[in-house]
Amino acid sequence: GNSVTQMEGPVTLSEEAFLTINCTYTATGYPSLFWYVQYPGEGLQLLLKATKADDKGSNKGFEATYRKETTSFHLEKGSVQVSDSAVYFCALRTYNNNDMRFGAGTRLTVKP
Amino acid sequence: DTAVSQTPKYLVTQMGNDKSIKCEQNLGHDTMYWYKQDSKKFLKIMFSYNNKELIINETVPNRFSPKSPDKAHLNLHINSLELGDSAVYFCASNENSGANVLTFGAGSRLTVL
Repeated sequence: GNSVTQMEGPVTLSEEAFLTINCTYTATGYPSLFWYVQYPGEGLQLLLKATKADDKGSNKGFEATYRKETTSFHLEKGSVQVSDSAVYFCALRTYNNNDMRFGAGTRLTVKP
Repeated sequence: DTAVSQTPKYLVTQMGNDKSIKCEQNLGHDTMYWYKQDSKKFLKIMFSYNNKELIINETVPNRFSPKSPDKAHLNLHINSLELGDSAVYFCASNENSGANVLTFGAGSRLTVL
């Protein structure tokens, strides 16, 4: 079945540090890949997405590249801010599947 | 103008009670979902409806019963609440086309005492 594995947290960084959150997936077919972010007390929001191999999704300084050869979709940001503190979820969905599969979530805390 | 709205936002109740959480979306989406998020933030799908028809029903106790009166509404009724039902429940919706981005509600935190 389809599944997503992302690095366990929590991750604590200082402001302006480089961020990587690893995500790998298992899927039949060709999934679309997503990163969602959940700020404290809120629902999940789409951060970025990629729908085919080698696509790069980007938003708010975050980037992730769809790597079919390594079945990965790692999230990166060159310089994090305190306001980036949140829980980040990697997710996948295949074309003929109504089910969005989420990873376990990685909590990021950025300290000033 | 909230896209996916859930009520109530907080719900505290005793074991054994019956409670409902309501969800409405004004996006014109065809598909709606209920997800359960536990204390460790793990997100698990419970149900999915497409145009009022149940299409996903994960292994969820039959104390949980979803109801979709129309495609803009998906309510969740829980009978005989147990301590383990304490969680945040998220409603979400999406179109049936494209990359299928989910739009989530703000969540309903249920605490069973």
